Amino acid sequence: QITLEESGPTVVKPTQTLTLTCTFSGFSLTTDGVGVGWIRQPPGKALEWLALIYWDGHRRYNPSLRSRLTITKDTSEDRVVLTMTYMDPVDTATYFCGHTDCGSDCYSGHFDYWGQGTLVAASS
Amino acid sequence: QSALTQPASVSGSPGQSITISCTGTTSDVGRYNYVSWYQQHSGKAPKLMIYDVSNRPSGVSNRFSGSKSGNTASLTISGLQAEDEADYYCYSYTSRTSWVFGGGTKLTVL
Repeated sequence: QITLEESGPTVVKPTQTLTLTCTFSGFSLTTDGVGVGWIRQPPGKALEWLALIYWDGHRRYNPSLRSRLTITKDTSEDRVVLTMTYMDPVDTATYFCGHTDCGSDCYSGHFDYWGQGTLVAASS
Repeated sequence: QSALTQPASVSGSPGQSITISCTGTTSDVGRYNYVSWYQQHSGKAPKLMIYDVSNRPSGVSNRFSGSKSGNTASLTISGLQAEDEADYYCYSYTSRTSWVFGGGTKLTVL
């Protein structure tokens, strides 16, 4: 059974760096084709794709946020970490992590399992 | 990158069929067959309903179907049920080696 859980601060001050952890079970990020990504959703607004890291270490980022994001994996601890620098109130959102499996094609990028999300407020 | 365009809301009565459109460009929806659809009930995590335009994950009702024509993908829900009331998001791979969501559509079952 695949599960994912997001954790991190509930509040960060503007200009600070946000660090979120996605801890998962039921799969390994060393298995060919597996990836973990991050998605966020401001209150009452749409989903926004942020970043994705694959089993082989390849990373993909939202071009609009690329300069502020870093995604890394810790395969020994079964977790993926996302950092976002220079937080601003507009970054207030629920942040989700999700599992993807390339199957026959890694361009699909769809998330078949999701965590419940963690709400982060950027506020002074 | 710009979000894919979806209608803000659609509605239908129980038993009816509805279709939600998702319009992109020749750099995303029109170029790749990597469109997926997610259902999100209020306060919950999204759920994958369709992937790669028209494939249904195991466990998803066959009342949900997907298609694509040109730059527009569509999600059709037949035999509408009260439990289908939710927000729906499309999602596509883009030529910028990234992915983009649609703006979301609120489905109301009358």
